[in-house]
Amino acid sequence: EVQLVESGGGLVQPGRSLRLSCTASGFMFKDYAIHWVRQRPGMGLEWVSGISYNSDNIDYMDSVKGRFTISRDNAKKSLFLQMNSLRSEDTATYYCVKDSSMIGGREFDYWGQGILVTVSS
Amino acid sequence: QLVVTQSPSASASPGASVRLTCTLSNEHNNYAIAWHQQQPGKGPRYLMKVDSDGSHNKADGIPDRFSGSSSGAERYLTISSLRSEDEADYYCQTWGTNIQGVFGGGTKVTVL
Repeated sequence: EVQLVESGGGLVQPGRSLRLSCTASGFMFKDYAIHWVRQRPGMGLEWVSGISYNSDNIDYMDSVKGRFTISRDNAKKSLFLQMNSLRSEDTATYYCVKDSSMIGGREFDYWGQGILVTVSS
Repeated sequence: QLVVTQSPSASASPGASVRLTCTLSNEHNNYAIAWHQQQPGKGPRYLMKVDSDGSHNKADGIPDRFSGSSSGAERYLTISSLRSEDEADYYCQTWGTNIQGVFGGGTKVTVL
């Protein structure tokens, strides 16, 4: 069974940092692109960032470029999102999501349960 | 720019059918999309991929009541024999030549 389990969320003050982690199981993690997708309270889904199987292909949504960094450790079957200079508008539930392809840019076929990040003073 | 558009809401009675529409931007009318379901208070779940020719591949465990189809730039999700547990938000997702994912705004389905 494919599982994606997020951790590292919580309450953080504006301007501070937070690091999200996602631990995968049930599939060959090293062979697939993985993404972070977020959902602000009461809103729809927003793609945040994605990383290819070998970390060669990485991209971000415009509003987080320069502040967020995605990375992965294939040996540990883990995905990370380093979030710096956090803003109130980054408050959201963040989902770790598996892509159906190695390079990325295909359908998202498995979702984690999500982790809440609240940015507030 | 690659954009997918969804109607904000749809409703039908139990046992009826409802068809949701995801419309691709004109220059991307041959793209495939994916449908995802988000039940209240839960995370999203992948339902199926729908190609431009109308063929669709459902995820494991998705009931036969859910089907996909296409016409031009429109991609559809039809839910037949509607049940109370089908009340949820449904999102379409597509992708371009890069790694970015693109989501529609979602359609809230209400079972009357």
